[in-house]
Amino acid sequence: QQQVKQSPQSLIVQKGGISIINCAYENTAFDYFPWYQQFPGKGPALLIAIRPDVSEKKEGRFTISFNKSAKQFSLHIMDSQPGDSATYFCAASGDKLIFGTGTRLQVFP
Amino acid sequence: DAGVIQSPRHEVTEMGQEVTLRCKPISGHDYLFWYRQTMMRGLELLIYFNNNVPIDDSGMPEDRFSAKMPNASFSTLKIQPSEPRDSAVYFCASSFVTGIYEQYFGPGTRLTVT
Repeated sequence: QQQVKQSPQSLIVQKGGISIINCAYENTAFDYFPWYQQFPGKGPALLIAIRPDVSEKKEGRFTISFNKSAKQFSLHIMDSQPGDSATYFCAASGDKLIFGTGTRLQVFP
Repeated sequence: DAGVIQSPRHEVTEMGQEVTLRCKPISGHDYLFWYRQTMMRGLELLIYFNNNVPIDDSGMPEDRFSAKMPNASFSTLKIQPSEPRDSAVYFCASSFVTGIYEQYFGPGTRLTVT
């Protein structure tokens, strides 16, 4: 019940394309759903987060879509750039963060 | 603020030795978290503290692992004795109590046990 399932495990996208990463959860008590970005050799860093009473949040090229009834949420990266190449983790927050398993994104020129 | 500070950045030790990892959280943050990251198991929460008090240590793998937070600006994660399967990157993170979803991670300590 505390798990967050994330897919795909890896993703290869052409520059300018759209990257989409999906997550699903079970516990309805979570109060925030953040996405973290991690570059090699660095710690994860908060990218964008959404509350469960909001269906979509956009910050620049990054958008979270949230479907409360389906218990699913996704990250969309528009106009993907080589600099977006990183590992992305979805998470669910209550008294602690439960992380998904991560998606390695590679954006090729 | 300098962010979350971890030391050492790299540690190579032999099996059976004691290892101590150190963390200085961001000043004013109420929560401190210790994570372990491996290719096989991903990002695992080991233990977290609220106002220096351990709240949940259910992620600590074995009695060989222990963590302390003697004050608001310092925490340690100790492994004694260390084993090759403890090889991983260990992260410390901190946050405000009002924003646990917004955690600030340190650069990590890459531990190699031979």
